[in-house]
Amino acid sequence: GENVEQHPSTLSVQEGDSAVIKCTYSDSASNYFPWYKQELGKRPQLIIDIRSNVGEKKDQRIAVTLNKTAKHFSLHITETQPEDSAVYFCAANGGTALIFGKGTTLSVSS
Amino acid sequence: NAGVTQTPKFRILKIGQSMTLQCTQDMNHNYMYWYRQDPGMGLKLIYYSVGAGITDKGEVPNGYNVSRSTTEDFPLRLELAAPSQTSVYFCASSSTTAVSPLHFGNGTRLTVT
Repeated sequence: GENVEQHPSTLSVQEGDSAVIKCTYSDSASNYFPWYKQELGKRPQLIIDIRSNVGEKKDQRIAVTLNKTAKHFSLHITETQPEDSAVYFCAANGGTALIFGKGTTLSVSS
Repeated sequence: NAGVTQTPKFRILKIGQSMTLQCTQDMNHNYMYWYRQDPGMGLKLIYYSVGAGITDKGEVPNGYNVSRSTTEDFPLRLELAAPSQTSVYFCASSSTTAVSPLHFGNGTRLTVT
């Protein structure tokens, strides 16, 4: 089955800096790669997703890139703000269900 | 439109007890999922369903059972609760296959002592 590895597990940046979180997946048949943000005590919420026929997608300060050959995808957050502090999860669709990485705790200090 | 609703929000069980976590959605989604979340371990798939009457095991199904008698409801049953089942449980649904966003419920925090 699908296996998703996510790095780093924690990331601390200064406000205004960029943050990058990387994920690798194992199943070459996976074709959907979403990113979820989870604030403390809340449910995960989708922030951006990408499908395998696209190499990059951007939504304001957030972008995701996908390299299908290398089987990795990354989340890029520019001009970070304190409200970006949260746990971020990547996922890949192993068959019929999403398989998640272990998460990255992002801390943005002002 | 309430989305995905989970009950209860919190529960404490004694070892060996049983309980059912309820999940219902009002979006007419065919696909429903149960995940558990442990600190530092991400979200692990327990069971999923692609439609009424159809269920399948995920990554960590042992100790759990599910049923899907209607499109709306997808209860998760714990038999003989163990401390290892202490976790936060999230139910989710999606409109199509695993190429569409998941809609999560607010979670159930379960403690087994």
